[in-house]
Amino acid sequence: GENVEQHPSTLSVQEGDSAVIKCTYSDSASNYFPWYKQELGKGPQLIIDIRSNVGEKKDQRIAVTLNKTAKHFSLHITETQPEDSAVYFCAATRGNTPLVFGKGTRLSVIA
Amino acid sequence: DAEITQSPRHKITETGRQVTLACHQTWNHNNMFWYRQDLGHGLRLIHYSYGVQDTNKGEVSDGYSVSRSNTEDLPLTLESAASSQTSVYFCASSLTGNTQYFGPGTRLTVL
Repeated sequence: GENVEQHPSTLSVQEGDSAVIKCTYSDSASNYFPWYKQELGKGPQLIIDIRSNVGEKKDQRIAVTLNKTAKHFSLHITETQPEDSAVYFCAATRGNTPLVFGKGTRLSVIA
Repeated sequence: DAEITQSPRHKITETGRQVTLACHQTWNHNNMFWYRQDLGHGLRLIHYSYGVQDTNKGEVSDGYSVSRSNTEDLPLTLESAASSQTSVYFCASSLTGNTQYFGPGTRLTVL
């Protein structure tokens, strides 16, 4: 089955700097890759996703890139703000199977 | 507004007791999922359902059961609670191949 590895497990950046979180997956048939943000005491919320027919997707300060050959995808957050501090999860699926999640990255943005 | 709710939000129980956690969604999603979240393990799939009367085991299903008698609800039952089942439990729902939406979570403590 699918296995998703996520790095780093913790990340501290200065406010205004960029943050990058990387994930690798094992199943070459996976075709949907969402990213979730989880704030303290809340459930995960989708922030951006990408499908295998696209190499990059942007939404304001957030972008995701996908390299199907290398089987990895990354989350990029530019101009980080204190409210970006949270735990971020990547996930992968073939679409007809449940999401498989990485173990999460705790991002701290230092003002 | 359509939503997904979980109850109770907090529960303390004793070893050996049967516990049922409720999950209710009003989106008319056919897919529903139960995860547990523990430090260092991320989100691990317990059980999932692709429709009424359909249930499937996930990665960590031992000691848990679910039943799906209608579209809106997927209750999770711990048949005989164990201390190892102390965790935060999240329910999620989705349409086929699309985004999963998570509930706010239930914090369960087994003493």
